[in-house]
Amino acid sequence: GAGVSQSPRYKVAKRGQDVALRCDPISGHVSLFWYQQALGQGPEFLTYFQNEAQLDKSGLPSDRFFAERPEGSVSTLKIQRTQQEDSAVYLCASSFRDRGLEQYFGPGTRLTVT
Amino acid sequence: AQSVSQHNHHVILSEAASLELGCNYSYGGTVNLFWYVQYPGQHLQLLLKYFSGDPLVKGIKGFEAEFIKSKFSFNLRKPSVQWSDTAEYFCAVTRSISSGSARQLTFGSGTQLTVLP
Repeated sequence: GAGVSQSPRYKVAKRGQDVALRCDPISGHVSLFWYQQALGQGPEFLTYFQNEAQLDKSGLPSDRFFAERPEGSVSTLKIQRTQQEDSAVYLCASSFRDRGLEQYFGPGTRLTVT
Repeated sequence: AQSVSQHNHHVILSEAASLELGCNYSYGGTVNLFWYVQYPGQHLQLLLKYFSGDPLVKGIKGFEAEFIKSKFSFNLRKPSVQWSDTAEYFCAVTRSISSGSARQLTFGSGTQLTVLP
């Protein structure tokens, strides 16, 4: 596709609900990153995939966060039992090169937990 | 761990004024440096990048940045801003590669630039 796409663009969840956020990277891009951006802050790294392999998940804030990229293209970030502190914009970025030197960002999913 | 500081949270300028946004990073090794811009309602876009070589890099829309290794700085400049430059600007750093390490970006907290017509 022309760029990285993410869906949904906005998600409101009640505390305790599970959510799934989708990322469609640019076709052929090897690397895929997830970031979390809290209000008034810069994005913070969550996890990284090279093709279908999740090589780094050191930024995931708790075991309620889970990400997958089973076929090496589309990725899903799942948050179980959402909490208010999970409210943020979740950004996906992809890169042609392995280990992601130049990253292209999607529009993000704004998650609000009430 | 590496970190990035952007000291100006909000900058307000009139059109045609000159711009300089500060960015300092902390990391002792070799780094790659980036400036991203986010226009209202749009996604993050790469403005310019520094990998190696000439420390003065030129990006899109007349922006440039200078890498000063001794000061751990990568300040963004533009000689004459336009109303359309109103946006949020993020400085980011990634450490140069070590085998198997992801090049995740570490971002500063951003600077909101407002240009008055």
